[in-house]
Amino acid sequence: AQSVTQLDSQVPVFEEAPVELRCNYSSSVSVYLFWYVQYPNQGLQLLLKYLSGSTLVKGINGFEAEFNKSQTSFHLRKPSVHISDTAEYFCAVSEGQGNLIFGKGTKLSVKP
Amino acid sequence: GAGVSQSPRYKVAKRGQDVALRCDPISGHVSLFWYQQALGQGPEFLTYFQNEAQLDKSGLPSDRFFAERPEGSVSTLKIQRTQQEDSAVYLCASRGEQGAKAFFGQGTRLTVV
Repeated sequence: AQSVTQLDSQVPVFEEAPVELRCNYSSSVSVYLFWYVQYPNQGLQLLLKYLSGSTLVKGINGFEAEFNKSQTSFHLRKPSVHISDTAEYFCAVSEGQGNLIFGKGTKLSVKP
Repeated sequence: GAGVSQSPRYKVAKRGQDVALRCDPISGHVSLFWYQQALGQGPEFLTYFQNEAQLDKSGLPSDRFFAERPEGSVSTLKIQRTQQEDSAVYLCASRGEQGAKAFFGQGTRLTVV
């Protein structure tokens, strides 16, 4: 069975600092990996996805993530965060056509 | 419309009342998913449709929960005899091709009092 672990429930960071949000997954087969962002009172928006190919994936708003098969990780990074990046971030895994399994989320709080 | 539309946005139900939540997916999207997001938690999978066929309902928490998509487009999630633990945001998502990104609606926030 698939599962997703987001190791940090909250990450406070100062504006313009780099940030890494950690995600580990477990699955017995090849998977697709996703990061979604949820702003307050809004739906989930896709930041980026890994389906195949290059393990470094670039997404919207300057975010990127690296797929590491040996460590079963898909950590999200941004070199310099803005106040507007304050939101909750969800890592998700899918076995092809199947449903998305989400982690519990990481709340990113960017302070001036 | 351009995105996934859910209605109502907010629903307050008295305990024991039946509710119906509607999802209008993006036109032409084959796959449709329902998720339940409790406060402070990630979305939890409820059920999945491919066209009108309900391929996976393993996430439905009890037989009080029922979902349908009779014509392969609009879907309705019905909760019978609501309980306080049913209070959550119910998210709908639709997806086109396999592996393509899923588009989420803004959700319906259900509060059972």
